[in-house]
Amino acid sequence: AQKITQTQPGMFVQEKEAVTLDCTYDTSDPSYGLFWYKQPSSGEMIFLIYQGSYDQQNATEGRYSLNFQKARKSANLVISASQLGDSAMYFCAMREDNTNAGKSTFGDGTTLTVKP
Amino acid sequence: KAGVTQTPRYLIKTRGQQVTLSCSPISGHRSVSWYQQTPGQGLQFLFEYFSETQRNKGNFPGRFSGRQFSNSRSEMNVSTLELGDSALYLCASSSPGSNSYEQYFGPGTRLTVT
Repeated sequence: AQKITQTQPGMFVQEKEAVTLDCTYDTSDPSYGLFWYKQPSSGEMIFLIYQGSYDQQNATEGRYSLNFQKARKSANLVISASQLGDSAMYFCAMREDNTNAGKSTFGDGTTLTVKP
Repeated sequence: KAGVTQTPRYLIKTRGQQVTLSCSPISGHRSVSWYQQTPGQGLQFLFEYFSETQRNKGNFPGRFSGRQFSNSRSEMNVSTLELGDSALYLCASSSPGSNSYEQYFGPGTRLTVT
């Protein structure tokens, strides 16, 4: 069964510094996708970045990058140049193969607080 | 392009009642998934509908049901509400034409059962 583990319930970072949010996953399926979402206090989940299991390069989207280490089954999110608006809950999620495109398993989340 | 919309945004119901939540996906998206988010259990997958058919189902009792209409709008129903059903219910849509199948979430419906 697929499982996502986020071991950091809360993280603090100084504004303009970089921060890494950890995520490890477990799956027996060779084809899967990994996602990161941001959830502000308003509740809406915002898609940030995606990494496919067969992608050779780490995904990047603006200030977000995903440090994908397949052998270690980790998919850490790196946020560069943190901003106050980055304060939110961050979720790592996984779906196993395209036939389960609409079914994602989420980790417990990490609450990020950016300090001015 | 309009995002995913969910109605109502807030709902208060009494134990034993039933409730229907609605979700309108992004135009062109045919997959609609529902998730329940609670402080204790986190985000849990309820079910997914694709082209009016339930394609995936999570581990929830039969009191939780859903359907999808021909215009891809989806509804989920919870019958015989229990206090533990109090949660944020999130709907997400995705497009099979997308390489990553990323899901776009709505703002959620916050259900309180008293």
